[in-house]
Amino acid sequence: DVKVTQSSRYLVKRTGEKVFLECVQDMDHENMFWYRQDPGLGLRLIYFSYDVKMKEKGDIPEGYSVSREKKERFSLILESASTNQTSMYLCASSPHLGQGKYEQYFGPGTRLTVT
Amino acid sequence: AQSVSQHNHHVILSEAASLELGCNYSYGGTVNLFWYVQYPGQHLQLLLKYFSGDPLVKGIKGFEAEFIKSKFSFNLRKPSVQWSDTAEYFCAVLNSGGYQKVTFGIGTKLQVIP
Repeated sequence: DVKVTQSSRYLVKRTGEKVFLECVQDMDHENMFWYRQDPGLGLRLIYFSYDVKMKEKGDIPEGYSVSREKKERFSLILESASTNQTSMYLCASSPHLGQGKYEQYFGPGTRLTVT
Repeated sequence: AQSVSQHNHHVILSEAASLELGCNYSYGGTVNLFWYVQYPGQHLQLLLKYFSGDPLVKGIKGFEAEFIKSKFSFNLRKPSVQWSDTAEYFCAVLNSGGYQKVTFGIGTKLQVIP
């Protein structure tokens, strides 16, 4: 059973703080993703990574950075948190498309509140 | 840029009613299509997917979806909903070319009344 785990379910941070959200998957997947989920906006892709140390910007990368030093771990970094980054953050992983059984597996989410 | 439109944002149905949720996408090339579901308090999980072959795909819990290429659509259906189908449903598209980026719709909240 694929597991995608996220370091925190709930997080409260102050404006200007540096925030780290961690995600770990145990299925040896090449692809990993960070989304934010907001009511009425669905899931919006922040960044994704298709291999270790490789990353691509998604649709809303501003204010975020990522790190993927190991295959199983993908970190999302908010360099200086702002109130408009209050949201639910979802991590996902998937195999490469060519491997046949493509689907994304999601973690439980981290609800981040920036005050 | 690729986009996904879900026509109904909030749907309320009585148990045993039939369900159809609309999904249209903008990408003109080869696509892979998904419906994901998020039950209250739970992870997003895959409901069904289309990659190739029979355009009518069946998923878990009696759901099905039909890919109509000429209409750029992938509508989700269920003949008779249950209270346990109350959830948020997301349509998603993966284009086969380039980076494997999945674009999601904004979601449809389904409320089934007993």
